[in-house]
Order: sequence, then C-alpha cells, then structure tokens
Amino acid sequence: DAKTTQPPSMDCAEGRAANLPCNHSTISGNEYVYWYRQIHSQGPQYIIHGLKNNETNEMASLIITEDRKSSTLILPHATLRDTAVYYCIVRVSTPMAGTALIFGKGTTLSVSS
Amino acid sequence: EAGVTQFPSHSVIEKGQTVTLRCDPISGHDNLYWYRRVMGKEIKFLLHFVKESKQDESGMPNNRFLAERTGGTYSTLKVQPAELEDSGVYFCASSQGIIGRREVEQFFGPGTRLTVL
Repeated sequence: DAKTTQPPSMDCAEGRAANLPCNHSTISGNEYVYWYRQIHSQGPQYIIHGLKNNETNEMASLIITEDRKSSTLILPHATLRDTAVYYCIVRVSTPMAGTALIFGKGTTLSVSS
Repeated sequence: EAGVTQFPSHSVIEKGQTVTLRCDPISGHDNLYWYRRVMGKEIKFLLHFVKESKQDESGMPNNRFLAERTGGTYSTLKVQPAELEDSGVYFCASSQGIIGRREVEQFFGPGTRLTVL
C-alpha cells in the first residue's frame, strides 16, 4: 500500500503557482520522496525527487519539511498542459538495481484559463 | 533517442483467449518493470527484470501471467487464459542500471489497453 496521503483534487489558474501537498508521516530515514505525474492516456512521467533538502529542476520545486513528514510539489507557473494526476511516492533508493514504484490515488490537478 | 515502446497499443480479446504484450525498453536500460491499472484502481507493480533475470515478481497476480525477457532486451507479458478482471492498461518502464548509483527515473511507455470481453 502507498505510504503517502494526498488530496484527491486541486484547481489552479493558468500562470499561477500550483502547490501540491503530500503527507508521509511514516517515512523512514533511507526513503526518498518522488513525484510522478500522469497526463491523460499517457504513461507516468518522473518530475523530481528528494531526501531531505529542497530540490529544484526545470519542471518543479520540491519542499520537504524538516521532520520529513510532509512535502510540497510546486509548479511555479502552471499551464493547461500541467493538468494531470500527480503522485507522491515514498521509496527506498539503493545503489543497486532499481525498485518498484508504489502508486497511490494521487491528486488530480486541473489547470484552467 | 527512442523512448519506451509498447505493442500493441490496444487489444480486445475474448475471455479464455491468450494475449501477449510486448515492451521495448530504452536501449541500454538494464531495469525493466511491468505495471498495470485496472478500472478504478491505482497503478500496481507487477514485476521487475534486471537484464534477463526476474528481480522481483511479487506483484504478479496469478500463474496466468508469464513475463519473459530473453537476452535482456525486450520483454513480453503473456496472459493465458485471459479473464474479465485482467482488463486494464499495462505499462512498461525502464531505467539504467548503474552499479553504485541510485536509480533516479523510470521511463514509462504509453501503455497497452487490454479489454477482455
């Protein structure tokens, strides 16, 4: 079962920042927080991941609280193409072969003009 | 560079028939995963190959499902015989296997939509 809790849906106006919260109160010290999204009818797409420091890439920013029990994915300037289901996934990442992703229900983000 | 490809994109079969899904990972990716989403449920992990070896097949629902990855390149997922509850979207994903490096990103294919009537 997924170890994260996310709101089922959120709305955002185009051009505004979208802030998607995720609770992971039982996260272990060696578990990372990953975000993926699934745009309608496509395969899931990796967005960003982090351990305890805040992270930023060309797609988004990830803010992780100091106690690591929650995090927020930030899309700084949402566009209509960002409408998707966003998944927050907690996962052990080891320097060996990869591991399975455990998807929850995610948050459906609707961006409107 | 080509992404993960899956064939067919859609398959409609009758209960009791056999279907084989194919996945071609990104060239050079050692890790290959199969996932599926059945109607109204979350995406669920099925199994994980490292090259040609099954690393984790804990998500395979029953012995009607058989996955292979001969030669460590493409993979097939065969469902025999298919049941109504097997209907859903089957995703394949791949990632690089770098010794000493953590896996970062799994690249997903577009999925195969399977409908069992």
